[in-house]
Amino acid sequence: TQLLEQSPQFLSIQEGENLTVYCNSSSVFSSLQWYRQEPGEGPVLLVTVVTGGEVKKLKRLTFQFGDARKDSSLHITAAQPGDTGLYLCAGAYTGGFKTIFGAGTRLFVKA
Amino acid sequence: GAVVSQHPSRVICKSGTSVKIECRSLDFQATTMFWYRQFPKQSLMLMATSNEGSKATYEQGVEKDKFLINHASLTLSTLTVTSAHPEDSSFYICSARKGLAGGYNEQFFGPGTRLTVL
Repeated sequence: TQLLEQSPQFLSIQEGENLTVYCNSSSVFSSLQWYRQEPGEGPVLLVTVVTGGEVKKLKRLTFQFGDARKDSSLHITAAQPGDTGLYLCAGAYTGGFKTIFGAGTRLFVKA
Repeated sequence: GAVVSQHPSRVICKSGTSVKIECRSLDFQATTMFWYRQFPKQSLMLMATSNEGSKATYEQGVEKDKFLINHASLTLSTLTVTSAHPEDSSFYICSARKGLAGGYNEQFFGPGTRLTVL
């Protein structure tokens, strides 16, 4: 069974703090996506990483793909209340067709 | 762009009735669409994969006769919840994938449909 472990599951922080969310698997991904979902809405694609060691930045969000393409991280600098939401990683394994979703990290940023 | 719409956004129905949810890719053609169910404070649970012009592939434990999926065109997939019961109440989300398998597997999600069965 292919699993995508995401941690932490829940994070409550103060505005201005930094945080990192992790996504890990024992298998190699051909690509990995990060999504953010707000309550009552569908997930919105933030980024896709494809190359091992790749780093992508989206304003205060930094996404990194592991060298071996088995793990990824999302780092948020100086979190703001608007960052509150459910963050989901999703990966497609090499040779696979289906996308596997992590359990999600529920982030709450307090003003 | 990659915009996916879903209709209706919210529906309340009586137990025993059927409900149809539409998922449309507005600015691209989607050979593959996916239907998910999401319970409160949980991640997405894949229900089925819908391929244009062929039968949907259902995940284990999902009743295909209860959740009817039709993918009649490259821009439209529908999910019909037949004989709905209160336990079918949930947030249903569709997604559409651009291009063919072997690409980046990016899925673009609709805004979701909140189904409440009384």
